[in-house]
Amino acid sequence: SQTIHQWPATLVQPVGSPLSLECTVEGTSNPNLYWYRQAAGRGLQLLFYSVGIGQISSEVPQNLSASRPQDRQFILSSKKLLLSDSGFYLCAWSYTSGRGAEAFFGQGTRLTVV
Amino acid sequence: KNQVEQSPQSLIILEGKNCTLQCNYTVSPFSNLRWYKQDTGRGPVSLTIMTFSENTKSNGRYTATLDADTKQSSLHITASQLSDSASYICVVSVQNQGGKLIFGQGTELSVKP
Repeated sequence: SQTIHQWPATLVQPVGSPLSLECTVEGTSNPNLYWYRQAAGRGLQLLFYSVGIGQISSEVPQNLSASRPQDRQFILSSKKLLLSDSGFYLCAWSYTSGRGAEAFFGQGTRLTVV
Repeated sequence: KNQVEQSPQSLIILEGKNCTLQCNYTVSPFSNLRWYKQDTGRGPVSLTIMTFSENTKSNGRYTATLDADTKQSSLHITASQLSDSASYICVVSVQNQGGKLIFGQGTELSVKP
C-alpha cells in the first residue's frame, strides 16, 4: 500500500533561519507531488507542484523553494524564514486513475517563525 | 481561471441537526470532485469522489451531490455528531493536467452539544 511521510510534525524557527521540510512517498512510482500551506483560519494554498524529478511548478511567488531530488522525495526549503512563513504545511501525492485524480496527504508540519 | 468557491466560510450547528455545505467551481476541463474532511492539525482525508456522470454519492451520514451543468456540489451531513467538527474542503481535479487539483478554502464546521 502507498504511504506518505512528512516531517517534522512541529517546528519553531527564528526569523532569518533556514528551513527544510521533507516528504517521502512509499509504494508508488512517479507520483505527482504537492506542497500546500494553510495559514491560520484560511484554506489550503498550493505552493509547489511536481510531476517528476527536477520538475517543479511554483504557484505563488514567495520566500520558499522546492526540490525533488528523487522520484518519491519532495523538499520544501527557505534560505531565510519570515514571520509570514508561519503556518501549517502539507505534503500530498496524487495519481490519476479512470476516475480522475486522487490525492493523499501527509500529517502536516506546524511551522512557527518567531 | 480555475477556481473553487465554498460557502459558508464557517457554520455552527447543534448536535443531531443536519447541515449542507456548498461548493461552486469554474474548473475546466473537469475531471472529478472530492470532498475532504480535515481535523485540526491533521491532513485532509477523502470523504467522497464524484466524476462527471455521477450526481450523488453517500458515505455513511455524508451525502455529496454534483450538478455538472451548473458546476455546483453540496455535502449534506445528517444527524451531526461532535466528531463532525472539522474543516470540509471541496477539491476539483483538472483533466489532462497530470492530476492537478484545485482546492476550495473550506468550510469550518463546529458541532455544539
